[in-house]
Amino acid sequence: QVQLVQSGAEVRRPGASVKVSCKASGYTFTAYYMHWVRQAPGQGLEWMGRINRNSGVSDYAQKFQGRVTMTRDTSISTAYMELSRLRSDDTAVYFCARDTGDSSGYPFNYFDYWGQGTLVTVSS
Amino acid sequence: DIQMTQSPSTLSASVGDRVTITCRASQNINIWLAWYQQKPGKAPKLLIYKASNLESGVPLRFSGSGSGTEFTLTINSLQPDDFATYYCQQYNSYSGYTFGQGTKLEIK
Repeated sequence: QVQLVQSGAEVRRPGASVKVSCKASGYTFTAYYMHWVRQAPGQGLEWMGRINRNSGVSDYAQKFQGRVTMTRDTSISTAYMELSRLRSDDTAVYFCARDTGDSSGYPFNYFDYWGQGTLVTVSS
Repeated sequence: DIQMTQSPSTLSASVGDRVTITCRASQNINIWLAWYQQKPGKAPKLLIYKASNLESGVPLRFSGSGSGTEFTLTINSLQPDDFATYYCQQYNSYSGYTFGQGTKLEIK
């Protein structure tokens, strides 16, 4: 069965960086795009970006351009999201989410499987 | 970016009720809309895609409709497990795949 297992909670100081991992299993990792979505405490969902299943090239929401980097290691079926220059309003649960996609790997940009979420707390 | 606005923000209902949640897009998104259910401390769960297509395994009491800028999620005969927060998400615009602010469905 498809599973996305994320790394554990992190605490960072303002200005620092954090890198969250998402290990996939139960499917062919390179057959689907992976997205990252975050949720601040008590707030809604916010799409951050996605990583191309083939090229590994990422597309980011304009809000996060220059601060976020999404990468992957296909040898261990793991995707990563690194956010730099952290601020207190980056405190949130960060989710990886698999793109539903079609049989040829074309992205649909909605999400059928999600990781359990990783809480990142930014506090001085 | 395309803005998604859900109404109401909170909805109180009883087991057995039929409820409808509305999602409006700031511009035409054709049928490229998904609905998710989220329970506290959990990841969202896909319910509906392409505005009206039921995801596999989702109960038939859930249905979606709409196109263009106005969409609805309807839940017939509410069950105790349905009390959660619901989000719409547009995936028409490459500039960003935005979510509505959520609708919390509470027990009356």
